[in-house]
Parts: sequence; structure tokens; C-alpha cells
Amino acid sequence: AQSVTQPDARVTVSEGASLQLRCKYSYFGTPYLFWYVQYPRQGLQLLLKYYPGDPVVQGVNGFEAEFSKSNSSFHLRKASVHWSDWAVYFCAVPGGYKVVFGSGTRLLVSP
Amino acid sequence: ETAVFQTPNYHVTQVGNEVSFNCKQTLGHDTMYWYKQDSKKLLKIMFSYNNKQLIVNETVPRRFSPQSSDKAHLNLRIKSVEPEDSAVYLCASTKSRISNERLFFGHGTKLSVL
Repeated sequence: AQSVTQPDARVTVSEGASLQLRCKYSYFGTPYLFWYVQYPRQGLQLLLKYYPGDPVVQGVNGFEAEFSKSNSSFHLRKASVHWSDWAVYFCAVPGGYKVVFGSGTRLLVSP
Repeated sequence: ETAVFQTPNYHVTQVGNEVSFNCKQTLGHDTMYWYKQDSKKLLKIMFSYNNKQLIVNETVPRRFSPQSSDKAHLNLRIKSVEPEDSAVYLCASTKSRISNERLFFGHGTKLSVL
């Protein structure tokens, strides 16, 4: 069955430093993949979506992700983190009539 | 800009009471969902409706019952709440039942069961 794994429950990054949040997927074939972000006391919002094609996907607020079929990965990156990026990030994969979410990675930004 | 509206934002109740949560989307989408998010932020789908028809019903206790009057509304009733029902309940919608489409979420209803 399709699934995603986010191995890092929590990541701390200094403001202005680069960021990578990891996601590994399990899917028969080539999947669509998502990254969502959840700011405090809000619902989830889409950051970016991968359609089969170009492996690097650009999202909002300077985020991008790279799909790798050989590594079954879809890691999220940002070149320079801002304090407002403090949030929980979820990787997700479609499955049947539903979307399956990873366990989330909490991003903490230090000054 | 929010287009999926949930009420109430918070609800505190006691074990055994009945609660109802409302969700409305103004996007003209065909499909709506209820997700449960626990204190560790884990998200689990509970139900999905497409044009008022139930299409996803995960293993959820029978005290939970979704209700859809039209495709823009999906409510959730919990009959006789238990302590483990304390969570944030997130409503979402997609344009169609195809699961590779983007989900639009409401801000959630936080339930605390004393």
C-alpha cells in the first residue's frame, strides 16, 4: 500500500541557513506527491505538488522539492529559512480515494 | 484565503456528551473529507463524501457519523464522546474524488473531552 515516511520528527535551523526536510515514499509506479505546511492553529496549506515529469518542483515562499525514483524520495528544500517558516511540514501521497500523510516534521527556526 | 469554513473553533465537553461539528466549502468542489489530527500531529482520514455519497469510511468507532446535506456541507456528529476523541478535526475538500488533486483545508475544530 502507498505510504510516506518522514524520518525527522523535529528539525532546528538557524534563520538564514538552508533547509532540507526528508520524505521517502512507497508507491507502485510513479506517484503524484505533495508537501503541505501547517502553521500554528491553522489547517494545512499546499506548498507544492509533483506531477510526473521534471523532478524539481518549485513551490511557494522559495520552497522546492526534488523527486527521485531511484531513492523513492521527495525531499523539500529551501535556500534561506525565515523565522516565519516555523511550522509543521507534511509529505503526502495519493492512494485510492484518499491522501495518505506522513507523520510530519516540526521545523524550529533559531535566531 | 480560507474557503473551507469550520465551526466551532473549539469545543470542551464531558465524557458521554454528544457533539456536532460543521463544515462548509465555497469552492464548488465535489468531494469533502474529515481528518482527525492527534496531539502528535498525526493525520488520519475518517470519512470522504463525493456529491453527498460516502466513498471513504475508515475504521472509525460507530459513535462517529458524518452527515452531508449537499456537496458544499459535511458535518460530523460524535455520539457519546470518549477521552480519546480529544483531537483537532480538520475538514477538507477537493475538486473531484481523484486523490491526486490538491486538498483545501479548514482551520480545524479542537475538541477537548474532560
